[in-house]
Amino acid sequence: GENVEQHPSTLSVQEGDSAVIKCTYSDSASNYFPWYKQELGKRPQLIIDIRSNVGEKKDQRIAVTLNKTAKHFSLHITETQPEDSAVYFCAASGSYGKLTFGQGTILTVHP
Amino acid sequence: DTAVSQTPKYLVTQMGNDKSIKCEQNLGHDTMYWYKQDSKKFLKIMFSYNNKELIINETVPNRFSPKSPDKAHLNLHINSLELGDSAVYFCASSHQRDTQYFGPGTRLTVL
Repeated sequence: GENVEQHPSTLSVQEGDSAVIKCTYSDSASNYFPWYKQELGKRPQLIIDIRSNVGEKKDQRIAVTLNKTAKHFSLHITETQPEDSAVYFCAASGSYGKLTFGQGTILTVHP
Repeated sequence: DTAVSQTPKYLVTQMGNDKSIKCEQNLGHDTMYWYKQDSKKFLKIMFSYNNKELIINETVPNRFSPKSPDKAHLNLHINSLELGDSAVYFCASSHQRDTQYFGPGTRLTVL
């Protein structure tokens, strides 16, 4: 089955800096890669996603890149703000929409 | 007007009891999921239904039994609760294999 590895497990940055979170996946048949943000005690919320026919996607301060050959994808957050502090999860989706999640990254943005 | 809702939000019960968690979505989606998030925040899929048909059934003890009375509802019944069942259970829904939207979660504590 699919295996998703996510790094780093914790990331601490100063406000205004950029943050990068990286994931690798094992199943070359996976074709959909969402990123979720989960604040403490809340539900995971989709922040951006990318499909396997696209190499990069951007939405304001957030961007995701996908390298299908190397089977890795990354989340980039620019100009970080304290409200970006949360746990971020990458995921890969294959057959039947089954999402396999990474282990999560705790992002802390210091004012 | 919550898109994906779950009840109850909190559930505290004794070992050996049987309990149910209910999920409803008003997004018109045809696919619903149950995820378990453990104390280390790891999110893992348990079940998925598409048009009331079970399509994903991960390695979950048979004490867990999902039921989908219609496309908008997916319930989770747990028999003979054990300490290790303590976790947050999230319901999610999607249109086929598209973006998954999560419910608010049910925090289950088994004493």
